[in-house]
Amino acid sequence: GAGVSQSPSNKVTEKGKDVELRCDPISGHTALYWYRQRLGQGLEFLIYFQGNSAPDKSGLPSDRFSAERTGESVSTLTIQRTQQEDSAVYLCASSIQGAQPQHFGDGTRLSIL
Amino acid sequence: GQNIDQPTEMTATEGAIVQINCTYQTSGFNGLFWYQQHAGEAPTFLSYNVLDGLEEKGRFSSFLSRSKGYSYLLLKELQMKDSASYLCAVSGDTGRRALTFGSGTRLQVQP
Repeated sequence: GAGVSQSPSNKVTEKGKDVELRCDPISGHTALYWYRQRLGQGLEFLIYFQGNSAPDKSGLPSDRFSAERTGESVSTLTIQRTQQEDSAVYLCASSIQGAQPQHFGDGTRLSIL
Repeated sequence: GQNIDQPTEMTATEGAIVQINCTYQTSGFNGLFWYQQHAGEAPTFLSYNVLDGLEEKGRFSSFLSRSKGYSYLLLKELQMKDSASYLCAVSGDTGRRALTFGSGTRLQVQP
């Protein structure tokens, strides 16, 4: 399809494990964003990529969180040593360089047991 | 800092009109967005305002007053499928492309 694709759609893991979430943006969109949405709450910004570089990482909540992007395309968000408070839906969005709006994927629902 | 406020919940009747308000305080302003989010689904883009005034798109309209830090989303001829959360988001400083979102307004349309 032509939209933003995220995988997996659901992930259940034990506290302390590492998880990796993947985002395939819309082809040609050079800007990519990660957000987190806890149950019943608004979207919380995590990190923004322009191309393969991340000029804004200000939303990453701790050093357990990291993200990378390669080929100005796929991005992965890694959470190390997961905690129960990391349980949320992780949403990825992309947009055309320097322009809005952002188009969202369906998200990865992460549950930490 | 960035702060965006919108009502938590609203209820309206099918066929009626509803207005969802949003007030914001941000460092810099590069536009205000409204998104619709059905439960368990991704947010979908509804509207974008960067200049003062009303933008109309079919049954949905969005208004912006930059001097008042205020916007509203107007939904006309409500349908049951309009039951969803409506998210107000602001693009702030030019160098910061990320959107700051409000907590969303959950709209329930009743028959």
